[in-house]
Amino acid sequence: DIQMTQSPSSLSASVGDRVSFTCRASQYISKYLNWYQQKPGKAPKLLIYSTSNLQSGVPSRFSGTGSGTDFTLTISGLQREDFATYFCQQSYSSNPYTFGQGTKLEIK
Amino acid sequence: QLQLQESASRLVKPLQTLSLTCDVSGGSIKNDDYSWGWARQPPGKGLEWLGYIYHNGHSYYNPSLESRVTISIDTSANQFSLKLSSVTAADTAIYHCARVEIYSGYFDHWGQGALVAVSS
Repeated sequence: DIQMTQSPSSLSASVGDRVSFTCRASQYISKYLNWYQQKPGKAPKLLIYSTSNLQSGVPSRFSGTGSGTDFTLTISGLQREDFATYFCQQSYSSNPYTFGQGTKLEIK
Repeated sequence: QLQLQESASRLVKPLQTLSLTCDVSGGSIKNDDYSWGWARQPPGKGLEWLGYIYHNGHSYYNPSLESRVTISIDTSANQFSLKLSSVTAADTAIYHCARVEIYSGYFDHWGQGALVAVSS
């Protein structure tokens, strides 16, 4: 299985800050890295697919970069509604698809 | 607006079979660009992909659970289902159904989730 490691596991920030999270794959996954946001008691929401493509309806303050094994999600100008947990998922191999353990973004 | 809704949360006894259904509304389950999958999330933990199925019935499962998982689809009812046999406490989780884009493998629509607790 391809292991996905996210860092940090938690992060405190303030409204208006620019924050970045990283996701590292245990092997090459090309561009096939997706990011999700999840709030307590809610379903995950797709933010970015294939490294850098913004899902329809997602604000442009979210952006993704990377390739190969190392990927970054950046939020420019944090809004109150952005405080949540963020997961990455590799879709390079469907045998099986795997997720990172998540980064919890908290209000400072 | 596509919506997915899992059947209600439930309590399952150890060694029994967990069964969940996902109703799809606002779009056809027979769309060739998507498959239909299940993932789960133990309380306070990360997500685990369980498997997915195409509208033609071809299914693929996580190798770690393959001996216990069955996903089926009913295109006439626009729904798909999950069965997980011989459950233990380790199978206690929120189970989500989701639509999976087949070319890039991302989960673009999710159900709210159904809590399944395994306990005697």
